[in-house]
Formats: sequence, C-alpha cells, structure tokens
Amino acid sequence: DAGVIQSPRHEVTEMGQEVTLRCKPISGHDYLFWYRQTMMRGLELLIYFNNNVPIDDSGMPEDRFSAKMPNASFSTLKIQPSEPRDSAVYFCASSPRLAVLTYEQYFGPGTRLTVT
Amino acid sequence: AQSVTQLGSHVSVSEGALVLLRCNYSSSVPPYLFWYVQYPNQGLQLLLKYTTGATLVKGINGFEAEFKKSETSFHLTKPSAHMSDAAEYFCAVTSNRDDKIIFGKGTRLHILP
Repeated sequence: DAGVIQSPRHEVTEMGQEVTLRCKPISGHDYLFWYRQTMMRGLELLIYFNNNVPIDDSGMPEDRFSAKMPNASFSTLKIQPSEPRDSAVYFCASSPRLAVLTYEQYFGPGTRLTVT
Repeated sequence: AQSVTQLGSHVSVSEGALVLLRCNYSSSVPPYLFWYVQYPNQGLQLLLKYTTGATLVKGINGFEAEFKKSETSFHLTKPSAHMSDAAEYFCAVTSNRDDKIIFGKGTRLHILP
C-alpha cells in the first residue's frame, strides 16, 4: 500500500491567495483527520471525518478554512484567503474502523505551506 | 478534558546511553496512551501504545514505555541510543469515549556521537 498521499508537498503562496491541500487516505480507512503543526502550537487537530461525513470541526481556526471529503478516497483542505500566520505543516491521517478502537492513525508526509 | 505534558522540548543523549523521554497526562477517564515518532520531513509513526492490560509496553526500534496510573505518567525509554533515533517524539492520549487523540508538544531527541 502506498500509504496516505498528500499533495503538494510544498506550497508557497502570497497572502490573499486561495490554497488547496489534498489528501488520499489509505484504501478502506473509514476515518480521516486533518492536523496543523507549528513550532508555537504543536500538532493541532483541525477536523475529522467518518465515512466522508465531518464529525468534529471545532479545531478549524476560522471561516477562512474549509474541508471536504467528496468520496472515500479524497479530501481537501482549503484556505481562502490565506494569511502569513497560516504558514505551517499540514498533515492528513487516516484510520480503519478497527484501528480507531485501538487508536492507530496513519499519517501522510505533510504539506509545508508558506504564505508570504 | 484530556491533556498531555511532555517535559523538555529538547533532550540530548550520547550514543549508547539511556534514552528517557517524559510524559505526564491528565484524564478523567481511563486513558489510552501513545508515543509517536516523527523523522525529519515525514509524518508521524506509531511507536507504541497502551490501552489495557500489561502496563509495560514494548514498541518498535527497542523502545518501551510504562503506564503508571499513580504517577499519571507514560515515560518512554530505550536502553541504548542509536544515531538513527534522532527525531521528534510525541506523547498522546485519548480514551474509549473519543475518536480523536490529544498530542503533546513534542520532544526533539538529539544523539551525540
């Protein structure tokens, strides 16, 4: 299995631009999580889905952030408009239902976002 | 609410020396506890986990951790450090009532030659 796939791996954009991050979870996994990692705040859970349905988006910092999961094999995290303080590494992780019971998450390699 | 505190954002040990990374948790329900490792430019990988049963758990790469309820701790140890152990380590907590995991701020482990 290829593991969790994220694209792009690096993104540099100017303030005010729209940014879309993409994630392909491991086939057969029912849960998908989006995290943000910064030096100041560590690893923060932004939102997670179960069977393509958003369950908890309380970690989404503000209305500029949105996430979708149109099908079991694809999710996007969009920032519009982007700001310099959004610069971070964004991770996607997935879990199969049984692994949720033991709480093992499989992380992608991350997207490093820089907003100038 | 659950939380995790990792003592020391940076830890340095000599190659061959004992590795000890400290983690204390707070949870009002029986916790499930984890250690994840993150190598440079990679995502997090599960090292080991405690859910129920034996309180001393063994993970990959020779690491182990002991759940001590009385001390609310879940410290990570390895008898002899290798250069390849240089990475960032995250302690995490959840419970059987949650789908999500709360991560600590991480401890960066440096291995000195």
